Amino acid sequence: AQRVTQPEKLLSVFKGAPVELKCNYSYSGSPELFWYVQYSRQRLQLLLRHISRESIKGFTADLNKGETSFHLKKPFAQEEDSAMYYCAFQGAQKLVFGQGTRLTINP
Amino acid sequence: DVKVTQSSRYLVKRTGEKVFLECVQDMDHENMFWYRQDPGLGLRLIYFSYDVKMKEKGDIPEGYSVSREKKERFSLILESASTNQTSMYLCASTNSGAYEQYFGPGTRLTVT
Repeated sequence: AQRVTQPEKLLSVFKGAPVELKCNYSYSGSPELFWYVQYSRQRLQLLLRHISRESIKGFTADLNKGETSFHLKKPFAQEEDSAMYYCAFQGAQKLVFGQGTRLTINP
Repeated sequence: DVKVTQSSRYLVKRTGEKVFLECVQDMDHENMFWYRQDPGLGLRLIYFSYDVKMKEKGDIPEGYSVSREKKERFSLILESASTNQTSMYLCASTNSGAYEQYFGPGTRLTVT
């Protein structure tokens, strides 16, 4: 079954420290993976897509097929990065979301 | 700018009531989705629709039904609300073949 796992429900780091939000998927083919973010009192929105290989708001995510991972990284966390982050996998005609990680950046 | 609106931000209903949650999108998207969002469980797909009058069950359809009579509107119906349906409900839409889903602001439903 296609599944996305985010092992950390909560993650707390200090401002300026590196951030890594973990995401693992189970799929035997070539996956299409995304990170979505929900800031406080805002809508859930797309942060980045693995195919685009962009850096959005300083975040990057590399697809590692060997480890079946798509971890989200940022070298220096900022307070405005505090939010709920969801990893998602493009399944047949629908997105499959992970459980989410609540990231808190401490000043 | 894509806009997805949901009829209510907060809703309180009693057990056994029939509940309607409405979602409207203004970008002529073919696909629409209903999710529920619960802490520790992430987003779980309830139902989705590819076209008017078309619907497909998601991962947790039990206790829910949907209606899509017009392309821009997708309704989620709780036939007989129960306390375990207390949750945040999110609607989303996207075009066929597109990868980005656009979400509404959510409806926080409390069933007492």
